[in-house]
Amino acid sequence: EVQLVESGGGLVQPGRSLKLSCAASGFTFSNYYMAWVRQAPTKGLEWVASITNSGGSTYYRDSVKGRFTISRDNAKSTLYLQMDSLRSEDTATYYCTAGIYWGQGVMVTVSS
Amino acid sequence: DVVMTQTPPSLSVAIGQSVSISCKSSQSLVASDKNTYLNWLLQSPGRSPKRLIYQVSKLDSGVPDRFSGSGSEKDFTLKISRVEAEDLGVYYCLQGTHLPLTFGSGTKLEIK
Repeated sequence: EVQLVESGGGLVQPGRSLKLSCAASGFTFSNYYMAWVRQAPTKGLEWVASITNSGGSTYYRDSVKGRFTISRDNAKSTLYLQMDSLRSEDTATYYCTAGIYWGQGVMVTVSS
Repeated sequence: DVVMTQTPPSLSVAIGQSVSISCKSSQSLVASDKNTYLNWLLQSPGRSPKRLIYQVSKLDSGVPDRFSGSGSEKDFTLKISRVEAEDLGVYYCLQGTHLPLTFGSGTKLEIK
């Protein structure tokens, strides 16, 4: 059974950091580009960042560039999102996805 | 950024009816490799998104053939024949040709 299980979310103050993890199982993780997609409360879907299957290239939306870092450990079948200098507008449910496969999401709330 | 204009914003249909959802992009979605990276996803209530169709018309495994995708260049359509109760939720188009990846604003399908 394919699973993507996100963790690491929670309530954090503006300007602080948080690191999300996404543990993959049931498919060959190293064969897939991976991405983080977020959804603010009651809003639509928004792409955040992507990483190639080897991890050699990464891509970000402008609003997170310089603040967020996507990475992966293929030996551990795990995707990460390091989020620094968090802002209130980063409040959302964060999903990891391999395109065909999606996690259940993890909530990040940025508030003082 | 490529703007994905999705219509209508909502639909209310009876079981067994057919519906179509439109997605128009502000730029051609034909990539340099000649593929067109246009996906359709469904987010059922309280669930994470699920990909239904990729590259305009290719159904993901397990997706009923009541779903079909068509279109080219900048104009795309998702058709659901013989709607069933399980089809309710929000449908999104997603373009993966250009960075940043962008989603349509969603179409909420309700069952009468």
